[in-house]
Amino acid sequence: GENVEQHPSTLSVQEGDSAVIKCTYSDSASNYFPWYKQELGKRPQLIIDIRSNVGEKKDQRIAVTLNKTAKHFSLHITETQPEDSAVYFCAASITSYDKVIFGPGTSLSVIP
Amino acid sequence: DTAVSQTPKYLVTQMGNDKSIKCEQNLGHDTMYWYKQDSKKFLKIMFSYNNKELIINETVPNRFSPKSPDKAHLNLHINSLELGDSAVYFCASSQYDSLTGELFFGEGSRLTVL
Repeated sequence: GENVEQHPSTLSVQEGDSAVIKCTYSDSASNYFPWYKQELGKRPQLIIDIRSNVGEKKDQRIAVTLNKTAKHFSLHITETQPEDSAVYFCAASITSYDKVIFGPGTSLSVIP
Repeated sequence: DTAVSQTPKYLVTQMGNDKSIKCEQNLGHDTMYWYKQDSKKFLKIMFSYNNKELIINETVPNRFSPKSPDKAHLNLHINSLELGDSAVYFCASSQYDSLTGELFFGEGSRLTVL
């Protein structure tokens, strides 16, 4: 079955700096890659997603890139703000409605 | 107007007891899920129902039994609770044929087994 790995497990950046989280997946059939953000004590919420027919997607300060050949994808957050502090999960599935397998999460701390 | 609601939010119980968690969604979605989040924050899928039919059943002890009376409700019953069952259980919903595939999570139910 699909296995998703994520690095780093913890990340601390100064406010205004960029943060990058990297994920790899094992099943070459996967073609849907969402990212979820979970603030402390809250529910996970989708922040951005990308499909395998797209190499990059951007939404304001957040961007995701996908290298399907290498089976890895990354989340880039620019101009980080304290409210970006949270646990970020990458995930993969074969279709957008198939079983979604989550990575182990990255705890991001943005220091004011 | 909560989209996905779970009850109870907190549950503290003794080992060996039986407990249930209820979930309801008002988004009109046809697919609902149970995820378990352990103390290390790892999110693992347990079950998924599509229109009341079980479609995903991960390697979960048979002490866990989901029930979906209709497509807006998915309940989780746990028998003979063990210490290792302590976790946050998240219910989620999505639309099976949606282009986005977004999972809408409930607030979670924190289960503590003593």
